[in-house]
Amino acid sequence: KAGVTQTPRYLIKTRGQQVTLSCSPISGHRSVSWYQQTPGQGLQFLFEYFSETQRNKGNFPGRFSGRQFSNSRSEMNVSTLELGDSALYLCASSSRTGAVSGANVLTFGAGSRLTVL
Amino acid sequence: GIQVEQSPPDLILQEGANSTLRCNFSDSVNNLQWFHQNPWGQLINLFYIPSGTKQNGRLSATTVATERYSLLYISSSQTTDSGVYFCAARMDSSYKLIFGSGTRLLVRP
Repeated sequence: KAGVTQTPRYLIKTRGQQVTLSCSPISGHRSVSWYQQTPGQGLQFLFEYFSETQRNKGNFPGRFSGRQFSNSRSEMNVSTLELGDSALYLCASSSRTGAVSGANVLTFGAGSRLTVL
Repeated sequence: GIQVEQSPPDLILQEGANSTLRCNFSDSVNNLQWFHQNPWGQLINLFYIPSGTKQNGRLSATTVATERYSLLYISSSQTTDSGVYFCAARMDSSYKLIFGSGTRLLVRP
């Protein structure tokens, strides 16, 4: 069973540009979550999607957005990049049903490492 | 929201030693996971353990939900155990997993 696939793995952008990151979940998984990891702030929740609906959003500015497609693949976009957006962006998928409670074992991809110059 | 605290922040061991990592959480949870982050950044699932005890080889974990803490035990540590260990928890009413700040483990040969 293939794992969570994130592309691209590495990318370099300049301030003001925008970036789109992609995440393909494990086959059959319907929930996709995104996290940002920086040395200063640690791992922070960005958003979670289930069946193309955003269920929850973390405390990030509107420059951070995402979406999920009917095949459960997800993309996140960051517009007007700032130096502080340099981070490892991690995507996780789970087979969680619509219910909040219950097992929700997250499996993470290898991440997309973004450097903003 | 829920707070997750891990201790110790850093740990240096000699190969073969045992260690215990702790995770405290501030509210009742329905999901608690332990992860190992390798040097390339990948988070590897170790345990899903909202309560009880589990073992997997040299690793085991115990969560005492009523006292709001979880422990990760590493026995006979190896250099390949080096990396950062995270615990993450989720409250009943939320979809998001909250991570602790991690324990950075270095196992020396």
